Amino acid sequence: DQQVKQNSPSLSVQEGRISILNCDYTNSMFDYFLWYKKYPAEGPTFLISISSIKDKNEDGRFTVFLNKSAKHLSLHIVPSQPGDSAVYFCAARPYFQGAQKLVFGQGTRLTINP
Amino acid sequence: DGGITQSPKYLFRKEGQNVTLSCEQNLNHDAMYWYRQDPGQGLRLIYYSQIVNDFQKGDIAEGYSVSREKKESFPLTVTSAQKNPTAFYLCASSVGQGNIQYFGAGTRLSVL
Repeated sequence: DQQVKQNSPSLSVQEGRISILNCDYTNSMFDYFLWYKKYPAEGPTFLISISSIKDKNEDGRFTVFLNKSAKHLSLHIVPSQPGDSAVYFCAARPYFQGAQKLVFGQGTRLTINP
Repeated sequence: DGGITQSPKYLFRKEGQNVTLSCEQNLNHDAMYWYRQDPGQGLRLIYYSQIVNDFQKGDIAEGYSVSREKKESFPLTVTSAQKNPTAFYLCASSVGQGNIQYFGAGTRLSVL
């Protein structure tokens, strides 16, 4: 039962354009969402997060949007740079279990083409 | 320079052998976690620990064991009962009830 889904295994975007990565979830009990970036043979690094009481959070080139009614969140990267090429994971926290149980999506491999 | 150190980077296991993966953090974080990543899948939680001498099973704990004798250390043992151990193992930590988990560089385990 995949509670957090990233339906696009891969995405290719031209340098300078906008990258949009999507994530859907099924559990209404999630109250906090995170995006992680992962390079090959390395651990994921935290990128940006959003609480369920907000619908947008911005940090430099990265913006996360949350649509609670659709149970959907997205990560926008503008402008996309070659160093953004990586696998991106979304993760969600069910509030009744505290911070200990993050549920991760399968990941989306983003490739930025020059 | 604070961080999470996992060792070794690569590990090979023979049939019927137990192997232990090391995870050390100097971030003074209370909580630590072990995840497993398989190709095309997300990270799945194996075990987690909120404080020293306490730990809980995650979603896929069978065939694994952990200990938390020190705040800085959370080793994971892959036992012979784990029939499909080949995967990328990631250790993480967070500040108590903190939302953000910070990850080590991972250990890739393969079976000979």
